[in-house]
Amino acid sequence: QKEVEQNSGPLSVPEGAIASLNCTYSDRGSQSFFWYRQYSGKSPELIMFIYSNGDKEDGRFTAQLNKASQYVSLLIRDSQPSDSATYLCAVLNTGNQFYFGTGTSLTVIP
Amino acid sequence: NAGVTQTPKFQVLKTGQSMTLQCAQDMNHNSMYWYRQDPGMGLRLIYYSASEGTTDKGEVPNGYNVSRLNKREFSLRLESAAPSQTSVYFCASSHQTGRNGYTFGSGTRLTVV
Repeated sequence: QKEVEQNSGPLSVPEGAIASLNCTYSDRGSQSFFWYRQYSGKSPELIMFIYSNGDKEDGRFTAQLNKASQYVSLLIRDSQPSDSATYLCAVLNTGNQFYFGTGTSLTVIP
Repeated sequence: NAGVTQTPKFQVLKTGQSMTLQCAQDMNHNSMYWYRQDPGMGLRLIYYSASEGTTDKGEVPNGYNVSRLNKREFSLRLESAAPSQTSVYFCASSHQTGRNGYTFGSGTRLTVV
């Protein structure tokens, strides 16, 4: 079982819709969760992180944690074509090791 | 404030050649990392340095060596390049525990022919 798993997609949503991305993690004691955005040919860019004590909202982005089911989600409201990218989920586990998912490709259709 | 700087951005090597990828950060981070990214495989950790003076193997260390030259700089060396090392390489840095995430450099696209 991989430490972090994501559906590779592609996920397509119309402009203005809500995009919902999810990932699951295997280490139940993980404390920190991250979402990175990676445009084609570019490096990953950290867009949000949350700790195990709660969700976070930042502008159009909301990160949510479901500890019981061991998954993390990223919601993008009012999706824009500029949000089209691959989104990487990452988890810092109890051994202080950082694991990345393989990413979900998102396309926002104008 | 440059963040994490990697050089070179592109490189083509012949099988058996050697090269060093350079990485420097100006964020006063303690920890630095080298990843490779391949289609369908995601980011895989090659080596990391938790603090100045220490280095440790990651998931895919074979064929690579690293040097933590000082707190700012962490280099990755390929002693005898192989086609299987064709990849995009990213350097990253973080505070000691990584709780606030990693900051990545812009990457090096390496092709071994």
